[in-house]
Amino acid sequence: GENVEQHPSTLSVQEGDSAVIKCTYSDSASNYFPWYKQELGKRPQLIIDIRSNVGEKKDQRIAVTLNKTAKHFSLHITETQPEDSAVYFCAANTGRRALTFGSGTRLQVQP
Amino acid sequence: GAVVSQHPSRVICKSGTSVKIECRSLDFQATTMFWYRQFPKQSLMLMATSNEGSKATYEQGVEKDKFLINHASLTLSTLTVTSAHPEDSSFYICSVMVGGEAGYTFGSGTRLTVV
Repeated sequence: GENVEQHPSTLSVQEGDSAVIKCTYSDSASNYFPWYKQELGKRPQLIIDIRSNVGEKKDQRIAVTLNKTAKHFSLHITETQPEDSAVYFCAANTGRRALTFGSGTRLQVQP
Repeated sequence: GAVVSQHPSRVICKSGTSVKIECRSLDFQATTMFWYRQFPKQSLMLMATSNEGSKATYEQGVEKDKFLINHASLTLSTLTVTSAHPEDSSFYICSVMVGGEAGYTFGSGTRLTVV
């Protein structure tokens, strides 16, 4: 089955700096790669997603890049703010229509 | 947009009892629902895929006799944790794929504490 690895597990940045989180996946059939932000005790919130026919997608301060050949995708957050502090998960669609999640990255933005 | 309602949000039960968690799609029909479990500071792990009108498909290592899934209608899937033990304490969350590859929506989650 699909295996998604995510790094780093924790990330601390200063307010205004950029943050980058990286994921790799194993199943070449995967074609949908969402990123979620999760606050404690809450459901995951979709912040951006990308499909396999696109290499990059941007939404204001958030961007995602996808390299299908290397089977990795990354989340980029620019001009970080304290409210960006949360746990972020990458995920991949396995082709069985269920998402496989990465292990998560705890982002702390220092004011 | 697609809305999934999950109840209860929190439940505390005694060891050995059973707990039922409901996941309801409010404005669309869901032939398939996914159930995940999330332990503290860990990721969401797929437990099972719930299929309307048929048996659920369980992931390796998940006991189907302990985690009973019923998906009797296109809008409701239930997860029953039978003979709960403290190690079953976790955050359970359902998810539905909306409109083919349009994305996924999640229930609000259920925090189960077994004492």
